[in-house]
This record gives sequence, C-alpha cells and structure tokens, in this order.
Amino acid sequence: GDSVTQMEGPVTLSEEAFLTINCTYTATGYPSLFWYVQYPGEGLQLLLKATKADDKGSNKGFEATYRKETTSFHLEKGSVQVSDSAVYFCALSPASGGSYIPTFGRGTSLIVHP
Amino acid sequence: NAGVTQTPKFQVLKTGQSMTLQCAQDMNHEYMSWYRQDPGMGLRLIHYSVGAGITDQGEVPNGYNVSRSTTEDFPLRLLSAAPSQTSVYFCASSTGVGYGYTFGSGTRLTVV
Repeated sequence: GDSVTQMEGPVTLSEEAFLTINCTYTATGYPSLFWYVQYPGEGLQLLLKATKADDKGSNKGFEATYRKETTSFHLEKGSVQVSDSAVYFCALSPASGGSYIPTFGRGTSLIVHP
Repeated sequence: NAGVTQTPKFQVLKTGQSMTLQCAQDMNHEYMSWYRQDPGMGLRLIHYSVGAGITDQGEVPNGYNVSRSTTEDFPLRLLSAAPSQTSVYFCASSTGVGYGYTFGSGTRLTVV
C-alpha cells in the first residue's frame, strides 16, 4: 500500500538557518503530494502541494519539488523564523481509486531558537 | 466562510459513556474524514465518506460509528467510551484529489 516516510525529529535550528525536512513516498502511479503544518493546539493547515512530477509547490517561503525519480518531496526554507516552530506533515493522495484519502507521514517537529 | 467546525473542543467522559463528536463544513466538499492523533502515532484514519450516504472504514474504526446524511455534516459516535479512546480527534474535508484537505481545530477527548 501507499506510505510516506519523514525524517524523525525534533529538528532544532537557530533563527535564519536553512531548513530541510526529508520526505519520501511509496505509491503507484502519480499521486498528489502535500505538506501540512500544525501549530500547537491547532489542526493541520495545508502549506503547499504539487500534483505532477517536477512541479514545485511554494508558500510562505517554503518550497518542495515533486521528484518522481527519487520518490521524494523534501521541504525547504532558506531562512527560518521562531514563528515557524511547528510540526510538519508530508502526505500523498492517490491518483486513482475514488476515495483520494491521503496517507500521512508521522510528522517532524521543528524548533527554532532566537 | 467558517471552513470545518468541530464541537466540542474539549470533553471528559467516563468509561462506558457514549457521545457524538460533531463536524460540519460549509464548503460543499464531497470528501470528509475523521482522524485521531496520538503522541508518536501520527494521524490515524477512523472513518471516511466520499459523499452523502456513503461511508467506509479507515485504519482504526473499532468503537466508532459514522453517518453522512447531508453533504455538510459528518458526526462521529463513540459507542461505549474506553480509556484507549483518549486522543485528539480531527475532522477534515476536501473537494477532491489534488486539492488537499481542510482540517477542523480538533476535539480533545479524555476518557477516565
């Protein structure tokens, strides 16, 4: 079945550091790929998405590129802020099957220090 | 535009009690899902629906029932609460593949 693997956290960075959170997936065909962010005490929010190979999703300074050849969708940000501290989830939705129910990774906690 | 609304935000139940977690969306989304989130376990799918009148089981359906009589509402029923059901529950909805899901703010349930 489909699966998503994320790097384990927590990831601890200083403000203005470069961020990479790795995400790889297993799925048939060409799934849609997503990154969600969860701030403390809140629900998940869609951060960015890509629906086909080589697409780059971007939002709020975060970027991720859909790499079919390496089945990856790594999240990057050039300069993190304290306000980026949150848990980040990688997810995929299958391209077919009718339910389009997403499969989530286990989440990666990011802690940014001033 | 309220998005996905979950009620209540917090609830304490005694073992054996039953209750319904409410979920409503005002975006005319066909797809709706219930997840539970536990430390170290990520998100686990309980039940989902692909449209009014259609529901199916997810990864951890035991002890929970759902129904989808309207597009807007997707309540989750706990039949006989157990301490193992202590968790944070999230409802989510989507218009379909490629669009991602919109999540509610969650219900924090404690069973004592």
